[in-house]
Amino acid sequence: AQTVTQSQPEMSVQEAETVTLSCTYDTSESDYYLFWYKQPPSRQMILVIRQEAYKQQNATENRFSVNFQKAAKSFSLKISDSQLGDAAMYFCAYKGGGSEKLVFGKGMKLTVNP
Amino acid sequence: DAGVTQSPTHLIKTRGQQVTLRCSPKSGHDTVSWYQQALGQGPQFIFQYYEEEERQRGNFPDRFSGHQFPNYSSELNVNALLLGDSALYLCASSLVPGSGYGYTFGSGTRLTVV
Repeated sequence: AQTVTQSQPEMSVQEAETVTLSCTYDTSESDYYLFWYKQPPSRQMILVIRQEAYKQQNATENRFSVNFQKAAKSFSLKISDSQLGDAAMYFCAYKGGGSEKLVFGKGMKLTVNP
Repeated sequence: DAGVTQSPTHLIKTRGQQVTLRCSPKSGHDTVSWYQQALGQGPQFIFQYYEEEERQRGNFPDRFSGHQFPNYSSELNVNALLLGDSALYLCASSLVPGSGYGYTFGSGTRLTVV
């Protein structure tokens, strides 16, 4: 079974600084997708960024970028120029190409200090 | 453009009772998935509905059942409630099953079983 591990339960960063959230996963599949979701106190899961396993190029979305290391099964999220609104729970998630379900990690609480 | 809407937002039920949660997918989406998120954990996949049929199911007992209507909205039913069913129940919609484009989540229903 696929698993997703987020080893850091909490992190903090100063406003305008850069922070990296780590995620590792375990799978024997070759076709899969990886995601980072943000869950603010409003409880809604918001898609931050996605990565297709067959693409070598790391995905970027404005201030958010990933470091996808396929051989190491690592998928970290870098947030640049952190803003107060980035404070939330962040979840790493995996989806196999032939599956419908997202497999989530336990999440990591990010605090942004002014 | 309305996103995923879930009702009710909060619910308190007594052990042994039955509960029905409702979800309307994002406009244009035809696939609905349900997740259970226990406190301090990542969401766990319950099942997915497409074309009014259950397409895939996670490791949840038969007490958890669902339905999808012709307008793509969905219900999650839980029978014989246990204290351990207390959780945030999230609904997610997508355009087609199997796509790697991620899912749009609602803000969830907080179920408390007493």
